[in-house]
Amino acid sequence: ETGVTQTPRHLVMGMTNKKSLKCEQHLGHNAMYWYKQSAKKPLELMFVYSLEERVENNSVPSRFSPECPNSSHLFLHLHTLQPEDSALYLCASSQDVIDTQYFGPGTRLTVL
Amino acid sequence: AQKITQTQPGMFVQEKEAVTLDCTYDTSDQSYGLFWYKQPSSGEMIFLIYQGSYDEQNATEGRYSLNFQKARKSANLVISASQLGDSAMYFCAMILVAQKLVFGQGTRLTINP
Repeated sequence: ETGVTQTPRHLVMGMTNKKSLKCEQHLGHNAMYWYKQSAKKPLELMFVYSLEERVENNSVPSRFSPECPNSSHLFLHLHTLQPEDSALYLCASSQDVIDTQYFGPGTRLTVL
Repeated sequence: AQKITQTQPGMFVQEKEAVTLDCTYDTSDQSYGLFWYKQPSSGEMIFLIYQGSYDEQNATEGRYSLNFQKARKSANLVISASQLGDSAMYFCAMILVAQKLVFGQGTRLTINP
C-alpha cells in the first residue's frame, strides 16, 4: 500500500448506528487531517493531529469523535448522526502541519 | 478574513487547448502557500502544484503551471495541451502560518474531444 488509504469507501448508516472511518498513511508523515466535503460547499476542516496530538478542532459536533493512536492511523468514530452529515469524508496527511497535504480517496457516507 | 475565490463554477474546453482556471485569495498574512488540487469523480483529492508567497518564479509541474501575481492576489492554474483525463473538479487552496488549509468552491473542468 502506498500513499493515504481510507476504509470503507462507501458507508450507509442509520441515525442510531455507531460506525468508524479509518485512515492510514504510508508516507511517514507527522500530521493527519479529517475534512468534510458536502455538495456545493468548500471543504471543511474538521480535525488536525500533529504527532498524535489534536491541534485543531473546528467546532465539530460531538457525534464525531476522532482518534489518532499513532502517526500512521487516524479514525473518525461516528454515532447518532443526522442526515445532513451525509458527505464525502476525506483524510489527508502531511510531513508537518505547514507542508503539502496528500489526500486519501475518501469515504462517501450516507445517513438515512 | 482568509478566503479563496474561484469565480468559474464550470468550464468547457476543447481537447489539446490550453486552459486557465482562475483563483484569487485574500489574506493579510505575508507568509502563505497556494495549492491546486484535482478531484476526479472518484473523489480523491490529487495534489497538482504549490507556490510559496516568497517564491519569485512561477511554479511549474509538467503540463501544469501556476500564474502567480502577488500584487493582484491571484494564483491561476494553467493547463497546457489539455487531455480528456483532465476533466475533473479543480480546487485552489491556501495555507497560512496558522496552519489551516482553506479551499475555494472549485471549478468543474470538462474537456471535449
